[in-house]
Amino acid sequence: DADVTQTPRNRITKTGKRIMLECSQTKGHDRMYWYRQDPGLGLRLIYYSFDVKDINKGEISDGYSVSRQAQAKFSLSLESAIPNQTALYFCATSASPSNEQFFGPGTRLTVL
Amino acid sequence: AQRVTQPEKLLSVFKGAPVELKCNYSYSGSPELFWYVQYSRQRLQLLLRHISRESIKGFTADLNKGETSFHLKKPFAQEEDSAMYYCARESMYNNNDMRFGAGTRLTVKP
Repeated sequence: DADVTQTPRNRITKTGKRIMLECSQTKGHDRMYWYRQDPGLGLRLIYYSFDVKDINKGEISDGYSVSRQAQAKFSLSLESAIPNQTALYFCATSASPSNEQFFGPGTRLTVL
Repeated sequence: AQRVTQPEKLLSVFKGAPVELKCNYSYSGSPELFWYVQYSRQRLQLLLRHISRESIKGFTADLNKGETSFHLKKPFAQEEDSAMYYCARESMYNNNDMRFGAGTRLTVKP
């Protein structure tokens, strides 16, 4: 089955460390997204990409960076993690022109 | 700011009762509105979108531009409807930026 996968699924790290979260998809979709989910705040868009090398800032991009070197992969980096980046992170994909998004299972990140 | 507001964090109804999950959005351009659902131990998935005007699992949602609302309704709730529901909008005006509401947890009691 075509799928959206995220690695790692859980990560605990310390303040100041560099962290990379990976997202891979076998759906053949051109668009990919990174969200964070916090209790009471829902999902907030961090970055999104409509094609390889295309990068767009979302609602809360500060403190994050992304890379889209291949259509199937979209990685999210925290250059210097801080505790308020503790959250559940979701990757999603969609295929233009449809904007239905397909979500990965999530990565739970804890920054101590 | 582009906002999606779901005023109820928690909603509890009895099986067979009608249910309405509220969603209001800030207006700009021509929004596309969606409802996503996350059942226990499952991924977030699309439930329905306003442009399709269809009923999914007995749920419907009507876009009311005058009230800037997109409430989700079902006349007779079932226990399997218990889940987290998110309203979302895509802003065609703002480079397809996608915004989600904070979510409403629906519990349908037997």
